[in-house]
Amino acid sequence: AQSVTQLDSQVPVFEEAPVELRCNYSSSVSVYLFWYVQYPNQGLQLLLKYLSGSTLVESINGFEAEFNKSQTSFHLRKPSVHISDTAEYFCAVSDPLHNAGNMLTFGGGTRLMVKP
Amino acid sequence: ETGVTQSPTHLIKTRGQQVTLRCSSQSGHNTVSWYQQALGQGPQFIFQYYREEENGRGNFPPRFSGLQFPNYSSELNVNALELDDSALYLCASSPGPNNQPQHFGDGTRLSIL
Repeated sequence: AQSVTQLDSQVPVFEEAPVELRCNYSSSVSVYLFWYVQYPNQGLQLLLKYLSGSTLVESINGFEAEFNKSQTSFHLRKPSVHISDTAEYFCAVSDPLHNAGNMLTFGGGTRLMVKP
Repeated sequence: ETGVTQSPTHLIKTRGQQVTLRCSSQSGHNTVSWYQQALGQGPQFIFQYYREEENGRGNFPPRFSGLQFPNYSSELNVNALELDDSALYLCASSPGPNNQPQHFGDGTRLSIL
């Protein structure tokens, strides 16, 4: 069984400051890792994913995450946040060997609140 | 290219009633997964349908059931509604059961009175 822990339920930060949203996972098998973003009254949008290869993955809007196998972590970072980054962020894992291989197990979410 | 669409957007029911939620998958996607997102929590996997068959199920009771149609659209049915069923129900589609990423709809907000 897999589980995902997002250590911070809320992260307040000032505009243009850096931010890190933490994610740790537990799994007995190799996993794929994801960050999704959810704006109010909307579904989930994929921010970035790690499937294989380079452990540092980047999104088009300045976020990056690094897969650390030894620490079972996949923390999300951005060097300078904008007001528009205010949203709920979810870390998720999937087991590619499961028959429903793209089934996602989500963490509880982190609310990023960017202040002017 | 049409994305994942869900209907209705909002629904209010009372305890003991039954409800059907609908999802149209993205063009070319044959796999649909359903998730339940309670207020303030992360989504939880309910089940997945692939080529009209259930292909995996999370820890949900049998009163949660589903269907997938030949055009790959899907329904989620919940019988004997309970207060704890109040949640946002999300549908996601993909080109196959092992394909990433999944594409999510905006969800159906179900409120149980």
